[in-house]
Amino acid sequence: GAGVSQTPSNKVTEKGKYVELRCDPISGHTALYWYRQSLGQGPEFLIYFQGTGAADDSGLPNDRFFAVRPEGSVSTLKIQRTERGDSAVYLCASSLSGQGNSPLHFGNGTRLTVT
Amino acid sequence: TQLLEQSPQFLSIQEGENLTVYCNSSSVFSSLQWYRQEPGEGPVLLVTVVTGGEVKKLKRLTFQFGDARKDSSLHITAAQPGDTGLYLCAGPDMDSNYQLIWGAGTKLIIKP
Repeated sequence: GAGVSQTPSNKVTEKGKYVELRCDPISGHTALYWYRQSLGQGPEFLIYFQGTGAADDSGLPNDRFFAVRPEGSVSTLKIQRTERGDSAVYLCASSLSGQGNSPLHFGNGTRLTVT
Repeated sequence: TQLLEQSPQFLSIQEGENLTVYCNSSSVFSSLQWYRQEPGEGPVLLVTVVTGGEVKKLKRLTFQFGDARKDSSLHITAAQPGDTGLYLCAGPDMDSNYQLIWGAGTKLIIKP
């Protein structure tokens, strides 16, 4: 079966522009997470969805970041007025239940570069 | 606040050598997960350890969960270049039933 799919794999944008990053989770997985990862570091939590609702968005750095999951499947992470500090790999993961011991299945990430 | 500290941060060894990397905390975890991440890819789950003192083997990789469930180790026997990657440990956040606490990882390079 298909794994978690993220598009685009790479995105280069100019400072101040708007970007959307897409995540297509494993079918049937109700839990979806967005993480941000800097080189050689562990994933940094951004937001967690259970179904269609954002159950926890406490990791979003500021109000330039927003994410949706309107039908409980595909999710889009939206970044407005991008800044150079937003450059990182954005990872999406899904799990069957969202319970803490439920394994996460990650996509290959979107590498965002803000110039 | 629960923290997971991984050591060493970086390890570069020759093919065929043995190595151990560590994931330590002052807090008790109900379980710990180990992931491996290769360049350009997302982390992939290797194993979950649940019981204190548990040992799990995955071919040349041996994972151990400490008796007190505060630490874990990963031992690789006869390392191969294919073992190269970032090894991450993660455990459930006690204050949340959906969050994971992540270590910063050990970057492992196996030279042929």
